[in-house]
Amino acid sequence: EAQVTQNPRYLITVTGKKLTVTCSQNMNHEYMSWYRQDPGLGLRQIYYSMNVEVTDKGDVPEGYKVSRKEKRNFPLILESPSPNQTSLYFCASGRLLAGGTWPNSGANVLTFGAGSRLTVL
Amino acid sequence: SQQGEEDPQALSIQEGENATMNCSYKTSINNLQWYRQNSGRGLVHLILIRSNEREKHSGRLRVTLDTSKKSSSLLITASRAADTASYFCATSANQFYFGTGTSLTVIP
Repeated sequence: EAQVTQNPRYLITVTGKKLTVTCSQNMNHEYMSWYRQDPGLGLRQIYYSMNVEVTDKGDVPEGYKVSRKEKRNFPLILESPSPNQTSLYFCASGRLLAGGTWPNSGANVLTFGAGSRLTVL
Repeated sequence: SQQGEEDPQALSIQEGENATMNCSYKTSINNLQWYRQNSGRGLVHLILIRSNEREKHSGRLRVTLDTSKKSSSLLITASRAADTASYFCATSANQFYFGTGTSLTVIP
């Protein structure tokens, strides 16, 4: 089954304790992205990656790191979590169609993971 | 921000009625997409309309796009209780930008 898998789904941690949220996709998608969802603010992009070893900041990158060493994996790292990073996090992936740049070419539909609810105390 | 904005923020209708949600955005786009989110779950793609299209249908969904007004609408006909969810528009130029969503409640 084509899917994006995030882990953990739920996590409660304390301020300053490093954590990693993993994201893996089995669709051979070039594009991967992390979003956070907060009430009244919609989905805001944290980081995205066009392909292996290529990452770029989204709208709210502060306090987060990412890496893209393999095509299928795109972990989100919180080096020193703070309470304002309490949120619902989503990973998404999409196909980069031949001859185009994301997301300008063709049907660049995103497939989302089920979400990771993070609470930082 | 290039973020889309959905209107209304919340909508409650009876089963069988039609539901209309609107999306406005700020900059030029290549395409506009609508996604659905069941409570606390990941978003699921519903339909995509390209910037050179004006209307598109998929089952009970009808999407319109007016690039001169920078707006789109999503119509769900003959709504069902299972349509209860939040609906988001997403615009794409260089990146994806999601709105804050419309929360739809369909009352059986």
